[in-house]
Amino acid sequence: GAVVSQHPSRVICKSGTSVKIECRSLDFQATTMFWYRQFPKQSLMLMATSNEGSKATYEQGVEKDKFLINHASLTLSTLTVTSAHPEDSSFYICSARESGQGLLPLHFGNGTRLTVT
Amino acid sequence: AQTVTQSQPEMSVQEAETVTLSCTYDTSESDYYLFWYKQPPSRQMILVIRQEAYKQQNATENRFSVNFQKAAKSFSLKISDSQLGDAAMYFCAVNSGNTPLVFGKGTRLSVIA
Repeated sequence: GAVVSQHPSRVICKSGTSVKIECRSLDFQATTMFWYRQFPKQSLMLMATSNEGSKATYEQGVEKDKFLINHASLTLSTLTVTSAHPEDSSFYICSARESGQGLLPLHFGNGTRLTVT
Repeated sequence: AQTVTQSQPEMSVQEAETVTLSCTYDTSESDYYLFWYKQPPSRQMILVIRQEAYKQQNATENRFSVNFQKAAKSFSLKISDSQLGDAAMYFCAVNSGNTPLVFGKGTRLSVIA
């Protein structure tokens, strides 16, 4: 079945540094990928929609200059947390839907636990 | 805008018993999908079951079944013969078109041996 690979699974960085998280669709093409953030004991909150070859669409309240999204190919989207601060510590999950598959369910990566010290 | 409401933050069930998790939703779309996802401590999102809104028949997947009441915009999940491995967070979600999933706040299910 379709697999989404997310890397790294865990990362610890110092305040002020940048961290890049990769999301790859391994056996299908994904025109659109989605990035979610999940704080402890809370639900998944959509951060942005990543569109291949175009600018990402950010949800209200999400700083586009802080959370840089690049979707340069049909199988790879990256989320870069720039100038990370401790409040950015969270669980980040990407998801993707196979292109042309309409309402079929999203496939999720295994998530990235970011800790900013 | 689409919204999903899960009114039970926590539920518990005895092993081998049946439990029902509640979910209501709101959408202005006529064509949409509903989902239940399971998130164990590993935080991996696992699709449990899905329901196409245009289908009247309730979806079933082995021990998991739904009660889909379209007019009431209700989509509850029933877990039969509960097992210890069913303990997890359960999220109800809705989407339509090429939109992202909108999740409820989740229900934490405990299974008591």
